[in-house]
Amino acid sequence: NAGVTQTPKFQVLKTGQSMTLQCAQDMNHEYMSWYRQDPGMGLRLIHYSVGAGITDQGEVPNGYNVSRSTTEDFPLRLLSAAPSQTSVYFCATSDNPAYGYTFGSGTRLTVV
Amino acid sequence: SQQGEEDPQALSIQEGENATMNCSYKTSINNLQWYRQNSGRGLVHLILIRSNEREKHSGRLRVTLDTSKKSSSLLITASRAADTASYFCATSGGSNYKLTFGKGTLLTVNP
Repeated sequence: NAGVTQTPKFQVLKTGQSMTLQCAQDMNHEYMSWYRQDPGMGLRLIHYSVGAGITDQGEVPNGYNVSRSTTEDFPLRLLSAAPSQTSVYFCATSDNPAYGYTFGSGTRLTVV
Repeated sequence: SQQGEEDPQALSIQEGENATMNCSYKTSINNLQWYRQNSGRGLVHLILIRSNEREKHSGRLRVTLDTSKKSSSLLITASRAADTASYFCATSGGSNYKLTFGKGTLLTVNP
């Protein structure tokens, strides 16, 4: 039982490149979210999903796309990376948000 | 926009002492959650308190909630070096799908 798995753990991109951050969970959780964490800023919600086929925007969605074709996976796509997207990205899942979320270990992304 | 704001930003104590962290928020909530983050790791859910609750305990953790003051506190009793971490409060209001985090309190417990 792996819980929430994020890959890769580290990534360096050049400005303008695209990439996909992967998030997979084996807990059959319906709710999945992506957050970014910047120094002194706490965590900010990028996109979230309440089930397969359903996604919505969070607080800072610009520059990111998501899709949810299966319950298990919730990839986050950077369309054209910018230095402002340098951050640590966390995926979080829940079977009932009223009881809290389980977080992955994060992906540290640097855009140069 | 940040909903929760933790206070203090940093706290340094000796092992065995109690640590108290505070969180203030701006709008009405369904629940308030506390998470711990060890350096370079993901967040771990510690405890959740609902808007109709005033106090909750879990092991060495005690959380209080004052909805009239829009504030919460997290007390860690008999702290240990392993408690060294950042602690975040997160509020959920309106839609339970979205959590809004504060900037965190960095707790250092010295052996």
